[in-house]
Amino acid sequence: AQRVTQPEKLLSVFKGAPVELKCNYSYSGSPELFWYVQYSRQRLQLLLRHISRESIKGFTADLNKGETSFHLKKPFAQEEDSAMYYCALSVSRGAQKLVFGQGTRLTINP
Amino acid sequence: GAVVSQHPSRVICKSGTSVKIECRSLDFQATTMFWYRQFPKQSLMLMATSNEGSKATYEQGVEKDKFLINHASLTLSTLTVTSAHPEDSSFYICSASDPGGGDYEQYFGPGTRLTVT
Repeated sequence: AQRVTQPEKLLSVFKGAPVELKCNYSYSGSPELFWYVQYSRQRLQLLLRHISRESIKGFTADLNKGETSFHLKKPFAQEEDSAMYYCALSVSRGAQKLVFGQGTRLTINP
Repeated sequence: GAVVSQHPSRVICKSGTSVKIECRSLDFQATTMFWYRQFPKQSLMLMATSNEGSKATYEQGVEKDKFLINHASLTLSTLTVTSAHPEDSSFYICSASDPGGGDYEQYFGPGTRLTVT
């Protein structure tokens, strides 16, 4: 069965500190992984996907198939990074059915 | 960018009644729309995938007769919760795929909070 696990429900770091939000997945096929972000009172929006290997707002995520992980990292946290972050796995290419993790609420303290 | 709207943003209905939630893609044509349900402090769970002009595909455990989905046009999908009960109270979120984008990225609506009394 497909599953996405985000072990931390809450994560709090100080501004300027490094951030790592953990995500592990379980999927027998070839995974497509995403990070979505939801800022306060806003809708869910795509942050980044592993296929594009890009850095968005200073965040990066590397797919590690050996460890079945897709951790989200940022070297220097900013206050505006405070939000809810969801890791998601696509189980259907093209149609992009998404399986979401439980989410991690990231709080950046000044 | 692609915008998806939902209406209403929140609705309160009495037990036993039906309620319809609309999901619209405002500036693009959505071949596929998805309906999710989110319980408080929990993740989004996919309920069904809706393709324009065809029947929706429901996820395991989702009652198709209770959650009626219609995708009559490339910009509108509706979710009707029939004979609602308090346990149907939840946050319902839709998303839409823009095939013109080339990678079928999902754009999410703001969600609809349903409270059944």
